[in-house]
Amino acid sequence: EAGVAQSPRYKIIEKRQSVAFWCNPISGHATLYWYQQILGQGPKLLIQFQNNGVVDDSQLPKDRFSAERLKGVDSTLKIQPAKLEDSAVYLCASSFNLVNNEQFFGPGTRLTVL
Amino acid sequence: LAKTTQPISMDSYEGQEVNITCSHNNIATNDYITWYQQFPSQGPRFIIQGYKTKVTNEVASLFIPADRKSSTLSLPRVSLSDTAVYYCLVVLYSSASKIIFGSGTRLSIRP
Repeated sequence: EAGVAQSPRYKIIEKRQSVAFWCNPISGHATLYWYQQILGQGPKLLIQFQNNGVVDDSQLPKDRFSAERLKGVDSTLKIQPAKLEDSAVYLCASSFNLVNNEQFFGPGTRLTVL
Repeated sequence: LAKTTQPISMDSYEGQEVNITCSHNNIATNDYITWYQQFPSQGPRFIIQGYKTKVTNEVASLFIPADRKSSTLSLPRVSLSDTAVYYCLVVLYSSASKIIFGSGTRLSIRP
């Protein structure tokens, strides 16, 4: 069974530039999560989708971050414009549904903002 | 929202049993407690999940007392490859599915 795919694996940009991350969850998984993990900290949930609807985006900085999952399968997370404090690993995860909390994580995208 | 509290770090030796405790106040009856393991440069990996009493699988056991204000992850006979960060995760299904990761416990296993 293929795991959660993410791209790119690494990205270096300058502040005020834009960046987008892509995630393809495990086939059949209805729930998709985006997390931000700053070095030395636990993952912080940014947004959670159930199919193509948003379940929770309370910690998403909506002035600069946006995410979509238009067809209920793959998803993109965008930052525009990026700030220095956005440097982190962005993790995508999926689970079969909201009740089953076994989340499968992708390898993450390491973003460096200079 | 309930927060989770874990020890920042723990050390042990190969072959020992390791117990990591997580505190979680205000947890509701139907909320799940889940533990994840994370190695450097990798995403977290599911270890075990439960909501009361004891759950055991091939790699760990999870103990949850009756008051559910804490839980303990037990790793039997650890090896060097168990060196990782362990996260306690509480899913608050009673509060619009809020997901909170703990701060993590950095476990170091020595030969």
